[in-house]
Amino acid sequence: GQNIDQPTEMTATEGAIVQINCTYQTSGFNGLFWYQQHAGEAPTFLSYNVLDGLEEKGRFSSFLSRSKGYSYLLLKELQMKDSASYLCAVGEYGNKLVFGAGTILRVKS
Amino acid sequence: GAVVSQHPSRVICKSGTSVKIECRSLDFQATTMFWYRQFPKQSLMLMATSNEGSKATYEQGVEKDKFLINHASLTLSTLTVTSAHPEDSSFYICSARGYEKLFFGSGTQLSVL
Repeated sequence: GQNIDQPTEMTATEGAIVQINCTYQTSGFNGLFWYQQHAGEAPTFLSYNVLDGLEEKGRFSSFLSRSKGYSYLLLKELQMKDSASYLCAVGEYGNKLVFGAGTILRVKS
Repeated sequence: GAVVSQHPSRVICKSGTSVKIECRSLDFQATTMFWYRQFPKQSLMLMATSNEGSKATYEQGVEKDKFLINHASLTLSTLTVTSAHPEDSSFYICSARGYEKLFFGSGTQLSVL
């Protein structure tokens, strides 16, 4: 079966750091993706991890532990525009993506 | 710029009518495209995998006769919602793999009255 868990909502302060966790149990694994989605818009690609460890890309970093079925997205120097839904998705063979329910991040000033 | 184009962005139609949504890969060829549906405040749910030149593969619980998928060329896949009903109102998004990434179209908000 497929099971992807991430917190429903999080709130953080502008300028702070926030970590969004994701745990997964899937029948196949071909990478872990993070997407950002603003209301009414399509998801925007943020990061991709296929090997264990940390991938850093500007203010955004993503970590993966395949043995633990665990990933997190780290957002630094939060800005108001970072308020959005963050989707954790597991890639399955055949290029299919299975999405978690998403974490709504609210950044307050 | 966008590498996957999806049209229309918004459709309002009467119950019982059919609606066609197009998904185009703009600067790469996509033998496989994916169609997702997203209800308000929920995540994306894969509906079907569109395969160029062959039949689409539908996920469990998705009616293939209601959601017709055609992938006639390497750059175009279409999803037709036949005899749409209010419960079909949703955000439909296509995606295609290119340059080792999965790109999404801009989505289509379907509202059935």
